[in-house]
Amino acid sequence: KQEVTQIPAALSVPEGENLVLNCSFTDSAIYNLQWFRQDPGKGLTSLLLIQSSQREQTSGRLNASLDKSSGRSTLYIAASQPGDSATYLCAVRHSTGGFKTIFGAGTRLFVKA
Amino acid sequence: EAGVAQSPRYKIIEKRQSVAFWCNPISGHATLYWYQQILGQGPKLLIQFQNNGVVDDSQLPKDRFSAERLKGVDSTLKIQPAKLEDSAVYLCASSSNRGNFWDTEAFFGQGTRLTVV
Repeated sequence: KQEVTQIPAALSVPEGENLVLNCSFTDSAIYNLQWFRQDPGKGLTSLLLIQSSQREQTSGRLNASLDKSSGRSTLYIAASQPGDSATYLCAVRHSTGGFKTIFGAGTRLFVKA
Repeated sequence: EAGVAQSPRYKIIEKRQSVAFWCNPISGHATLYWYQQILGQGPKLLIQFQNNGVVDDSQLPKDRFSAERLKGVDSTLKIQPAKLEDSAVYLCASSSNRGNFWDTEAFFGQGTRLTVV
């Protein structure tokens, strides 16, 4: 059974700091991995989608890496801003058993001005 | 492009009552998902529709939850009767079928926050 874990559960950093959010999964038979942002009272916004054949994806100040063999993904945020404060979720899509998508519980990020 | 619309935004009901949520996906999106997100947890897929057919409902508590997608567009999710543990945010998402289905991103609505007292 696939399990997705995100560490840390919460993180508080000063503005301008570079930071890394971690996501680990137990079953390496994945089709892709997606990072989402969730703001309070709002739905999820897709940030980056990495296919299983890819090693990383970049969008602006965000860089996501994927190491399928070790069951790990990281989301790197450069030069953090107060507007980056949100919960960040990773979701893994299986490549077997009906292509289920399993979410982690998220990392709650607070960037202090 | 209009996003995924959900209503109501908030709902408070007593246990054993029934409740229904509505979702209007992005125009042209063939796939529609309902997720349940309990406070402090990630979203859990309840049901996935492809057009008006069910692709996956393995985690839907069928004794109390039901969902339908009329004409492959709007969808409703119903809970009857509700339990205290159903308190959660119910998220609807949709994705297109262009290209490889599994490569497409899902777009989420703002969700409906249900409180069962």
